[in-house]
Amino acid sequence: DTEVTQTPKHLVMGMTNKKSLKCEQHMGHRAMYWYKQKAKKPPELMFVYSYEKLSINESVPSRFSPECPNSSLLNLHLHALQPEDSALYLCASSQDPPGLRRNEKLFFGSGTQLSVL
Amino acid sequence: EDQVTQSPEALRLQEGESSSLNCSYTVSGLRGLFWYRQDPGKGPEFLFTLYSAGEEKEKERLKATLTKKESFLHITAPKPEDSATYLCAVQAGAWAGNNRKLIWGLGTSLAVNP
Repeated sequence: DTEVTQTPKHLVMGMTNKKSLKCEQHMGHRAMYWYKQKAKKPPELMFVYSYEKLSINESVPSRFSPECPNSSLLNLHLHALQPEDSALYLCASSQDPPGLRRNEKLFFGSGTQLSVL
Repeated sequence: EDQVTQSPEALRLQEGESSSLNCSYTVSGLRGLFWYRQDPGKGPEFLFTLYSAGEEKEKERLKATLTKKESFLHITAPKPEDSATYLCAVQAGAWAGNNRKLIWGLGTSLAVNP
C-alpha cells in the first residue's frame, strides 16, 4: 500500500464552524506533513510531525490545529476560518523526517478542497 | 537567499513534439532536487530525485538531468496524458530548526494537444 488517503475530498464550511480533515498512511512512514496550496502556486508547508511529535510549525494561525493520534493518522482541526483560508489542503508522508537521509521523497494524498464562506 | 525558478511558466506542445522544462536554483549546499507532477485537484506525484551534478534519471518519456545551477526535465514524444503541472523542489543544506526545508518552484503548466 503506497497511498496516502485524505478525507473528505471536498468541504464547505462557514466561518463559525468547526471541522476536521483526516489523513492516513500505512507505509510505516515516520514523518507526516500538512501543506496548503492555492491555485497556480506551489504547496506551502504548514506542519511537520516527526515520530508523532510536532517538529515544524510554519507560524500557522491558531485557527489551524494539527493532531497526530498515532504513526498512521494525522488530523487538522479547523475553527473560525476566514475566506482567505480557502485552498487545497494536502497531507503528505515521507519515510524519514526532512533532512535525516537523502531519499526524502514525499507521498501526497489527493487533498481536501476547502471552501470557507 | 535560497531560490528556485522554473521556466517556462506554461508550455503548449503538439503530441510527439519533444521539449524541455527548466528549473534553476540558487541554494546554499544542494542536498537533493525533486521533480513532481501534479494533475488538477490532485496532490503532487513524485517523479525523480537528483543529488549531484551530472546525474540523470529516466522514466518512460521523461528524463531529468542536473547541473550545478539547474535541472532539466526532458519530455520525448509527449502524449496528451502528459499534460499536468510539473513542480521542481530543492532541499538545501541550511537547517530550519531541526529540519531542512524544501523550496518549491512555481511550476510549469504543460498542455499536450492531440
